[in-house]
Amino acid sequence: QSVLTQPPSASGTPGQRVTISCSGSSSNIGKKTVNWYHHLPGTAPKLLIHTSNQRPSGVPDRFSGSQSGTSASLAISGLQSEDEADYYCAVWDVSLNGFVFGPGTKVTVL
Amino acid sequence: EVQLVESGGGLVQPGGSLRVSCTGSGFTFSDYWMNWVRQAPGKGLEWVANINEDGNEQAFVGSVRGRFTMSRDNARNSLYLQMNNLRAEDTAMYYCVRDLSGGSCSWGQGILVTVSS
Repeated sequence: QSVLTQPPSASGTPGQRVTISCSGSSSNIGKKTVNWYHHLPGTAPKLLIHTSNQRPSGVPDRFSGSQSGTSASLAISGLQSEDEADYYCAVWDVSLNGFVFGPGTKVTVL
Repeated sequence: EVQLVESGGGLVQPGGSLRVSCTGSGFTFSDYWMNWVRQAPGKGLEWVANINEDGNEQAFVGSVRGRFTMSRDNARNSLYLQMNNLRAEDTAMYYCVRDLSGGSCSWGQGILVTVSS
């Protein structure tokens, strides 16, 4: 059972905006910045957002992150078929002294 | 080009030991924290351990603490995960990850470890 909560699934039609939430606590999101990863099964995961809202070079600006209090969210605007994947939030937990990943959200493009 | 290549996976019996390795290229290995992250079949990502640039700071997820150790050889651009007293629930794809939470994050392709009799 993860200390972070994400919805198991999210979906949208091409061009729509999809938002994925990540809820934590005062020992993780309340104190540290959140990262988001994209994972297509059978391939290596990829960093999408670090330090709450920073995009590494090469990540399209359709992906954006935000964080407030003990929650964070990832938004995908202009949804594309290639965005179908699993998305994970992750953050350092000061009580556990380790990184924790959310359970993942499967995004489906209808 | 940054590359991380894992090796050493395979099938091991419960209670057995295995060492997986990761070799980095295309960057200055000694400049980065390194991590192991795993994914069990049908499950999500789970952080396993990390180690700082010179190897004198490490942290482990509770489920492997006392059974797994992590080390690095910066002269060989290599990272190691020694796994002892393996359990069925350690069966997973193990990924080597550079700078897990920073803008320089990079993942290896992963290596499969199967614990089964």
